[in-house]
Amino acid sequence: DAMVIQNPRYQVTQFGKPVTLSCSQTLNHNVMYWYQQKSSQAPKLLFHYYDKDFNNEADTPDNFQSRRPNTSFCFLDIRSPGLGDAAMYLCATSRDTSYEQYFGPGTRLTVT
Amino acid sequence: DQQVKQNSPSLSVQEGRISILNCDYTNSMFDYFLWYKKYPAEGPTFLISISSIKDKNEDGRFTVFLNKSAKHLSLHIVPSQPGDSAVYFCAASGSNFGNEKLTFGTGTRLTIIP
Repeated sequence: DAMVIQNPRYQVTQFGKPVTLSCSQTLNHNVMYWYQQKSSQAPKLLFHYYDKDFNNEADTPDNFQSRRPNTSFCFLDIRSPGLGDAAMYLCATSRDTSYEQYFGPGTRLTVT
Repeated sequence: DQQVKQNSPSLSVQEGRISILNCDYTNSMFDYFLWYKKYPAEGPTFLISISSIKDKNEDGRFTVFLNKSAKHLSLHIVPSQPGDSAVYFCAASGSNFGNEKLTFGTGTRLTIIP
């Protein structure tokens, strides 16, 4: 059974057109993360929620926002996608102080 | 500044032999290390981890070795099987980094040759 679900798996958007990626989890984990991974690069943490507390990485562009309406769901909003935002976006969860993170399959974003 | 480095982008190993994947880190504050495995079109999955108080952790065919003085860890897979073909990511964290944030390496693509 899928534990961390990401929709859609593939998303195409136009330059400058807002896009939302979604993540849901059945693990009841209180921490949720969003990573950006470009080809042949390491996954890069954008931000994470510890319960309802939002934690933004210092180098995450303002163009990227996130919402977590409840424990199960977390959204990544890209307000004005640029060509450089084309990447795989990975959602992950963890429980409290556990280092182990559970990843979803990712959403591959293409910007035309 | 890449704090976790996997200098070999790819590695090919004969089935049944040992696969050794290497990882180096620069931040001496890291005290917990993990290996993730990633198949195409799937997210990374946790494989094995090690705390800095240990120098070895073993789980079946997988063993992780940590050399703190050299800031180096390695993942050994023996014997290697075709299903082990995947991209392997090394990750590091520590209690000083808040909420257990992970810093990942760029990955090594392992191919097991039948």
